[in-house]
Amino acid sequence: DAKTTQPTSMDCAEGRAANLPCNHSTISGNEYVYWYRQIHSQGPQYIIHGLKNNETNEMASLIITEDRKSSTLILPHATLRDTAVYYCIVRVPSNAGNMLTFGGGTRLMVKP
Amino acid sequence: KAGVTQTPRYLIKTRGQQVTLSCSPISGHRSVSWYQQTPGQGLQFLFEYFSETQRNKGNFPGRFSGRQFSNSRSEMNVSTLELGDSALYLCASSIKRGGRETQYFGPGTRLLVL
Repeated sequence: DAKTTQPTSMDCAEGRAANLPCNHSTISGNEYVYWYRQIHSQGPQYIIHGLKNNETNEMASLIITEDRKSSTLILPHATLRDTAVYYCIVRVPSNAGNMLTFGGGTRLMVKP
Repeated sequence: KAGVTQTPRYLIKTRGQQVTLSCSPISGHRSVSWYQQTPGQGLQFLFEYFSETQRNKGNFPGRFSGRQFSNSRSEMNVSTLELGDSALYLCASSIKRGGRETQYFGPGTRLLVL
């Protein structure tokens, strides 16, 4: 699976959009970009994933650059409950297995 | 639909003991993966089971083992516990739909080894 690079930490004001970047410059053509988040001492929570096109669901939007070397997770109206560590993972869905390789993630602090 | 459940949620053991953790996947999910999370090493993959067979294994010693039952429920066992085994143990289940497979995590079992 390709390596990802994320900022260690970010702050965001409550009610504003939180834009979390992820660099995956070595991504291959069949690797998907996944985002998970982990609120303190809980299990990681799936947020969204995509391959080439931008994706949106009830939680967030995922913007993937045309060259697929980077992506941005957007939380449109951040709340205090969005404070968490956000992980960007790239991998190929495979019948050979589902191992996820977690990096350090970005610690997002949403402030009132 | 109920999420992934793990039991027990908290556990205290002493060095040298063994422990068994249980995971019940989301109904219909056949793949179960286990992860260890520590402050120093972060989230690390232990192993994955699919249809009662181990499909993938991480870089952990043989003291860590697991199994999956015919109803997809899974257990992991750690023998001869060491202080460094203190961690949050996470289970995730997944199902493949339309070529995409997404893992959903349980709340974890927090193990403290004294």
